[in-house]
Amino acid sequence: AQKVTQAQTEISVVEKEDVTLDCVYETRDTTYYLFWYKQPPSGELVFLIRRNSFDEQNEISGRYSWNFQKSTSSFNFTITASQVVDSAVYFCALRARGNTPLVFGKGTRLSVIA
Amino acid sequence: DVKVTQSSRYLVKRTGEKVFLECVQDMDHENMFWYRQDPGLGLRLIYFSYDVKMKEKGDIPEGYSVSREKKERFSLILESASTNQTSMYLCASSLLLEKLFFGSGTQLSVL
Repeated sequence: AQKVTQAQTEISVVEKEDVTLDCVYETRDTTYYLFWYKQPPSGELVFLIRRNSFDEQNEISGRYSWNFQKSTSSFNFTITASQVVDSAVYFCALRARGNTPLVFGKGTRLSVIA
Repeated sequence: DVKVTQSSRYLVKRTGEKVFLECVQDMDHENMFWYRQDPGLGLRLIYFSYDVKMKEKGDIPEGYSVSREKKERFSLILESASTNQTSMYLCASSLLLEKLFFGSGTQLSVL
């Protein structure tokens, strides 16, 4: 069975602070895909990143970076110099091999205070 | 850009009513999904479909059914709405193993 755990329910930071959102996953498959989505107050989930299980390179996109570690089954997301516009609910998700549906974590609500 | 359109942003229904939630995507995606989102529970999969007239149960299909008569349209049906079906409903579509594109959601209140 696939499972995604986001232990942090809510996080509050002051603008310009760095913040890391944790994601731990469980799967028995050797081929799988990990995702992060952002849900701003408007409600529509927005895709941020997809990573496959064979690519452990960390990725950076502007102020966003992702740390994938198979040894600890984690796929953590860091926002550097956070801004108010980063306030949202962030979801980590897992898809095992084959055309199977995404399994989502319960989400982390991030509030960035000016 | 892919567009996934959900017919209503807010919907209020009475207990026992039959409710239809409509979802249309414009990018010829094979896969379509219905999730519900509740505080503290995240997104839970209700039903999904890999092709026209195909449907698969997700994690919480009880009390729901779906219809996919055309590739671009995936409808979620509440045969007899109950108060515990008050929730945010999210439709999504994707190509095979690619990322999901989501609609804006329908906030359903069952009174």
